[in-house]
Parts: sequence; C-alpha cells; structure tokens
Amino acid sequence: NAGVMQNPRHLVRRRGQEARLRCSPMKGHSHVYWYRQLPEEGLKFMVYLQKENIIDESGMPKERFSAEFPKEGPSILRIQQVVRGDSAAYFCASSPGDQETQYFGPGTRLLVL
Amino acid sequence: QKEVEQNSGPLSVPEGAIASLNCTYSDRGSQSFFWYRQYSGKSPELIMSIYSNGDKEDGRFTAQLNKASQYVSLLIRDSQPSDSATYLCAVTLTSGTYKYIFGTGTRLKVLA
Repeated sequence: NAGVMQNPRHLVRRRGQEARLRCSPMKGHSHVYWYRQLPEEGLKFMVYLQKENIIDESGMPKERFSAEFPKEGPSILRIQQVVRGDSAAYFCASSPGDQETQYFGPGTRLLVL
Repeated sequence: QKEVEQNSGPLSVPEGAIASLNCTYSDRGSQSFFWYRQYSGKSPELIMSIYSNGDKEDGRFTAQLNKASQYVSLLIRDSQPSDSATYLCAVTLTSGTYKYIFGTGTRLKVLA
C-alpha cells in the first residue's frame, strides 16, 4: 500500500493521559500536514512539517499539543493530558513538495473518556 | 466572514440528475482550489483540483472556477447513489504556507 498510513486507527484515552498519533507519508513525499475534524465540522489545519522542521504550526493549540517529523520514522502528533474536547478525527496528509496536492491518510479517531 | 463557505445541505438529487455544489471564499488572491469527497467515517478523497478560471472536466465531474466572483463549484453529472457523501471545498490562502482551508462541506444525497 503506497498511500499515507496512520496508526492507530482508533485510540481511546482517559482524561489526563497522553495520546500519540503516527503518520507515515506516501513514498517520495517529504511534506506532512495534520488536520483535525471535530464531529459535524470541517477539517481544521493544525501543523505543517518537513523532515526535522516545523514549517507552520499556526493551527496548533498553544498548550498540550506538539508535533515532530524526525529524519527517520513517522511524523508524530502528541497530545498531553487529553481532555474530552480533544475527541476528534485527526487526519494526516502528505505531498511531494511545497504547493503540491495533498493526499490524506485514513485518520485516527481519538476518543477521550 | 468565514474564509471558505459551503451550504451544509443536505442536497438531494434523483439518480441520473446533475448535482451542483458551490463554494465561496474570501481571500481574493487564492490560487489553488480543491474538491474532496468524504464518506461517513472515512478520510477525504481528492476529486479535482483547479487553478485557472473556467471549467475543468474529469469523467462525470466538472469543476468551475470564477476568481472574479470568488466562487468554485463542482458539477456531478449522471449522479449515482454511490456519490452520496459530504463534499469538501478546500482553498489555499495568499499569505502564509500552502495549508488547506476547508469549508464545512455539503452533504449530497442521491436518491435511487
């Protein structure tokens, strides 16, 4: 499967725990974007990364959220001390370069109890 | 004013009819426009991209862009029940990076 991969597909956490979401871009893609979709809402941009660099994090909440895209391995979106309002679908998209079409992964559905 | 606006629907059309989905955007300098389809519980799937004024056709789908009026539309000809989904319009802004700004989507129902 040469598409964008995300895992886990479903994640259940209790309030106060940490959530780690992983994204492996399509082969040949070096640009990764994270979006969040709350129930019955559109997708909201969170962060844009290239290998080892955060390019744009203007959509990230100021606290508890962080993202990385190391030289080796997947991109990771980390949510510390989760709250119920973090329950959402988190989608990763990748593109081969800047200003190119983005292709979405299957998403991770996070449920905070 | 929202950056990207879509009518949430649902838009109901009979099978075989043309479905017309509309999207308006506020950034006059936007250059790139995309239509994605999203089935319930699934991820967005790219249908079309369009960058220049006019029409762009791909199979049963036609995207139309009018930068002067700041709207982009998607026509689906010969609509099928399998086209029933939420259609998301995405736009890139003039300033900042090439992130997508999405509308809230229009839910389409094609009635058999």
